[in-house]
Amino acid sequence: KAGVTQTPRYLIKTRGQQVTLSCSPISGHRSVSWYQQTPGQGLQFLFEYFSETQRNKGNFPGRFSGRQFSNSRSEMNVSTLELGDSALYLCASSLVESSPLHFGNGTRLTVT
Amino acid sequence: SQQGEEDPQALSIQEGENATMNCSYKTSINNLQWYRQNSGRGLVHLILIRSNEREKHSGRLRVTLDTSKKSSSLLITASRAADTASYFCATVNHGSGNTGKLIFGQGTTLQVKP
Repeated sequence: KAGVTQTPRYLIKTRGQQVTLSCSPISGHRSVSWYQQTPGQGLQFLFEYFSETQRNKGNFPGRFSGRQFSNSRSEMNVSTLELGDSALYLCASSLVESSPLHFGNGTRLTVT
Repeated sequence: SQQGEEDPQALSIQEGENATMNCSYKTSINNLQWYRQNSGRGLVHLILIRSNEREKHSGRLRVTLDTSKKSSSLLITASRAADTASYFCATVNHGSGNTGKLIFGQGTTLQVKP
């Protein structure tokens, strides 16, 4: 069974631009979560989607948004990029509640 | 904000030795999980311990949970060079009802020297 797939693997953007990251969960997994990882703040929860509905949201500004499609694939979008948005963005999926998360290898976003 | 605090931040040992990492958290939890991350990669789930469990084993891993002290420890026995990675504890808060929302600690960086 294929793991969680995130595309692209690397991205370089300029301040003020916007970016869309994609995540394909493990087949059959309906919950998809997104995390931001930076050296200073560590791993921080962005949001979680289940059956196309945002179920939970972290403490990030409205520039960060996401969605989930009927096939459980998810995208997150960051608008008006800032230098501080440079990070590793990780997507994770899970089968059912209380089950462990399966992470993708992330998208490394660099904002210049 | 991060809930888990991990100790030590960095640990360097020789192959064959045991490695112990500790994690403390602040609120009531449903479960506590440990993950491993190799440099620049995604996290890999290692073990999950529920709030009503005190100890759990998986291969060379042993996890303990003390809910009265709001702390957990991860022991890796007979370490190998391949165990070199960062290790994170993560909690699912009690009543959150959102198991996709994990609160991660800052992690312990383990180096195992051959």
